[in-house]
Amino acid sequence: DAGVTQSPTHLIKTRGQHVTLRCSPISGHKSVSWYQQVLGQGPQFIFQYYEKEERGRGNFPDRFSARQFPNYSSELNVNALLLGDSALYLCASSLISGATSSTDTQYFGPGTRLTVL
Amino acid sequence: AQKITQTQPGMFVQEKEAVTLDCTYDTSDPSYGLFWYKQPSSGEMIFLIYQGSYDQQNATEGRYSLNFQKARKSANLVISASQLGDSAMYFCAMRDAHLTGGGNKLTFGTGTQLKVEL
Repeated sequence: DAGVTQSPTHLIKTRGQHVTLRCSPISGHKSVSWYQQVLGQGPQFIFQYYEKEERGRGNFPDRFSARQFPNYSSELNVNALLLGDSALYLCASSLISGATSSTDTQYFGPGTRLTVL
Repeated sequence: AQKITQTQPGMFVQEKEAVTLDCTYDTSDPSYGLFWYKQPSSGEMIFLIYQGSYDQQNATEGRYSLNFQKARKSANLVISASQLGDSAMYFCAMRDAHLTGGGNKLTFGTGTQLKVEL
């Protein structure tokens, strides 16, 4: 079975531009989460979506937005890019959202490496 | 707020030996989940093992086992019979299931870089 897929794999943008990152979850998974991982740190939570509704938002500015489509795929949008947005952006999918058991284990994709110049 | 602490920035282990990666956590929530992920240089986070706070036994998955000591708030990962392919960054993470919208998130530690040597 296919795992979580993300596109593109690499992206180079300049300050002030806008970027859209895409994610397709594992078949049957209805929840998608986005994380930002800067070099040398653990991933930081950005958003979680379940059944097309936002279920959680991390401490990121409003320049970051996301949505989930009827087929459960998701997009992460970042406006007015800053140098500090350079990072690996990871998408994770899980069967459901908000559970307190192993059923909400998050499985990650390969990531999109964004470089802002 | 939840917090995960990994105090070993780097570890070395000989091939075929066992290694323990440390993780301590802090939470006031009586119900929580702990996860370990492996991140090779390619960047993908690979799920290894899960331990629920109410699980009576320590979790095991093949060569991976989790040494869960609830009173000490530690969840150390033990890798037995290390292989060269185990060389990677390892992250401990905790689930926060009380987000405003009803969802959950993972809070990660800073990771431990494991190097397996011949």
